[in-house]
Amino acid sequence: EVQLVQSGAELKKPGESLRISCKASGYTFTSYWIGWVRQMPGEGLEWMGIIYPDDSDAIYSPSFQGQVTISADKSSSTVYLQWRSLKASDTAMYYCARHRGARYYYYMDVWGKGTTVTVSS
Amino acid sequence: QSVLTQPPSVSGAPGQRVTISCTGSSSNIGAGYDVHWYQRLPGTAPKLLIYDNTNRPSGVPDRFSGSESGTSASLAISGLQAEDEADYYCQSYDRSQSAYVFGTGTRVTVL
Repeated sequence: EVQLVQSGAELKKPGESLRISCKASGYTFTSYWIGWVRQMPGEGLEWMGIIYPDDSDAIYSPSFQGQVTISADKSSSTVYLQWRSLKASDTAMYYCARHRGARYYYYMDVWGKGTTVTVSS
Repeated sequence: QSVLTQPPSVSGAPGQRVTISCTGSSSNIGAGYDVHWYQRLPGTAPKLLIYDNTNRPSGVPDRFSGSESGTSASLAISGLQAEDEADYYCQSYDRSQSAYVFGTGTRVTVL
């Protein structure tokens, strides 16, 4: 069974760093782009970026470029989303999702259950 | 502000047919980029419902169908059931933003 298992909920203070994870199983990890989607409280879905685990090529939404870092570890089939300095506005649910299809035509066919990140002083 | 606009809500009685529109522009749907649809049931992760404008993944009931024309796309739900109460999002690629984009989302309520 294809699965994406995300790390647990996080409560952090502004200015702290954070890395959340998404562990893939049930398919060839290095053959699919995998990325992150944000959902802020009461808001819709926002695409953040993707990474190709085979060579760690990463593409970011301009809205998130420079704000977060997406990385991958082939040895553990895990993708990460990282912040250097959190802000209260980073409070959201974060989903990882496997991307399928052709470049510019990607859709997300498998989703993790989400990781809640709360940033509060 | 999303570049794909959906109605905030639609509703229908059980058994009825409802449609959700996804209005884009010449930078996304009108440029030929495919539209995909997701269902997010309360408290759960999004689930792929329709991909490449009209295709249903295995396991998705044929009550769900997608279409696309010009700068817009639509999701139709026929034979509406109580379990269809959820938020629905369209998704495509926008070349002016150089990013994949989601629609504003539509909440479907079964009366």
